[in-house]
Amino acid sequence: GAVVSQHPSRVICKSGTSVKIECRSLDFQATTMFWYRQFPKQSLMLMATSNEGSKATYEQGVEKDKFLINHASLTLSTLTVTSAHPEDSSFYICSAGLAGGREQFFGPGTRLTVL
Amino acid sequence: QQQVKQSPQSLIVQKGGISIINCAYENTAFDYFPWYQQFPGKGPALLIAIRPDVSEKKEGRFTISFNKSAKQFSLHIMDSQPGDSATYFCAARGNEKLTFGTGTRLTIIP
Repeated sequence: GAVVSQHPSRVICKSGTSVKIECRSLDFQATTMFWYRQFPKQSLMLMATSNEGSKATYEQGVEKDKFLINHASLTLSTLTVTSAHPEDSSFYICSAGLAGGREQFFGPGTRLTVL
Repeated sequence: QQQVKQSPQSLIVQKGGISIINCAYENTAFDYFPWYQQFPGKGPALLIAIRPDVSEKKEGRFTISFNKSAKQFSLHIMDSQPGDSATYFCAARGNEKLTFGTGTRLTIIP
């Protein structure tokens, strides 16, 4: 099956710093990648959709200047949380989809803790 | 309406029993309905999925029942095992995006 990896798996940072999370499709080319956020005991909320070589589309209420998404290649998308604050602490999960396919393949998630 | 409603919030089932989780949706443009299993600290993993032109799909112990007219679908886990204890999410796809239900925490007791 299609495998998606994320790095790092967990990160702790100080308030005000920026953190970059990588999402890679290991054995397929992902035309579209998605970034989700999940608070404890809650559901996954879509933050943004990114297509290779174009700007990401952000969901309503998600600050594009705070959550920078770059989809530089068909196998790599990055999410940068800029000037992180404690309220940004969450579980960030990416997924990747194939062109014309319905299924999304999810990464293992990144636990971000902002002190 | 993009909302997907899921129930129950939590479920306790005895080992060997049947676990049933229900979801309902409003948007008739949804074209794909997957179920995901998530363990603590892990990403969700696809269990089984169905298209709206099919009323039932079975894969091993997992079955999706789909009622298009009622805009409802459900997951049945037969012969539930302790290893099935996890959080389950239904989802619906529209405009290439997935909308997730609120999740059901399933606990299988001996």
